[in-house]
Amino acid sequence: GNSVTQMEGPVTLSEEAFLTINCTYTATGYPSLFWYVQYPGEGLQLLLKATKADDKGSNKGFEATYRKETTSFHLEKGSVQVSDSAVYFCALVTGGGNKLTFGTGTQLKVEL
Amino acid sequence: GAGVSQSPSNKVTEKGKDVELRCDPISGHTALYWYRQSLGQGLEFLIYFQGNSAPDKSGLPSDRFSAERTGGSVSTLTIQRTQQEDSAVYLCALAGRTDYGYTFGSGTRLTVV
Repeated sequence: GNSVTQMEGPVTLSEEAFLTINCTYTATGYPSLFWYVQYPGEGLQLLLKATKADDKGSNKGFEATYRKETTSFHLEKGSVQVSDSAVYFCALVTGGGNKLTFGTGTQLKVEL
Repeated sequence: GAGVSQSPSNKVTEKGKDVELRCDPISGHTALYWYRQSLGQGLEFLIYFQGNSAPDKSGLPSDRFSAERTGGSVSTLTIQRTQQEDSAVYLCALAGRTDYGYTFGSGTRLTVV
């Protein structure tokens, strides 16, 4: 079956620090990969996605590269801001676009 | 989130009572999902509706849980004889015809006391 493993949080960083949140996966078939973000008090929002190997998804300064050889989709940002404080979920879907499989989420706290 | 309205936003209920959660999607999305987000855990898939096909109920945790989608639009998730372990945020999500990215509602926070 499909599964997603994320690094445990919370991750606490100072503003302008470099961010990496690790995500690895196992999947039957050839998955599409996603990062979702949940800001405090809000619903989940799609942050970025990649649908094939070596694709790089990017949005709002965040990037993640689909690495088939290491089955990874690590989220990175060069300089985080306080407004990036949220919970980040890695997810995948296989086949005909049925249900997403999510990781457990990683809470990011950015301090001044 | 925009395009997906869930109600109520918060629900406190006594153990043993039944609750009904509602999801009102915008038109144009053929697939509707219910997920559950428990404290300290990831999102757990519950049920999936796709057009007129039979729903995928494989994620429902017990027979106390049921869901329906009327007219391919509004969906309700019903939990009978609620238990404390049912306390969680219940999320509704929509998927379009070609985009695998989902649109999530803001969820219903259910607290069973």
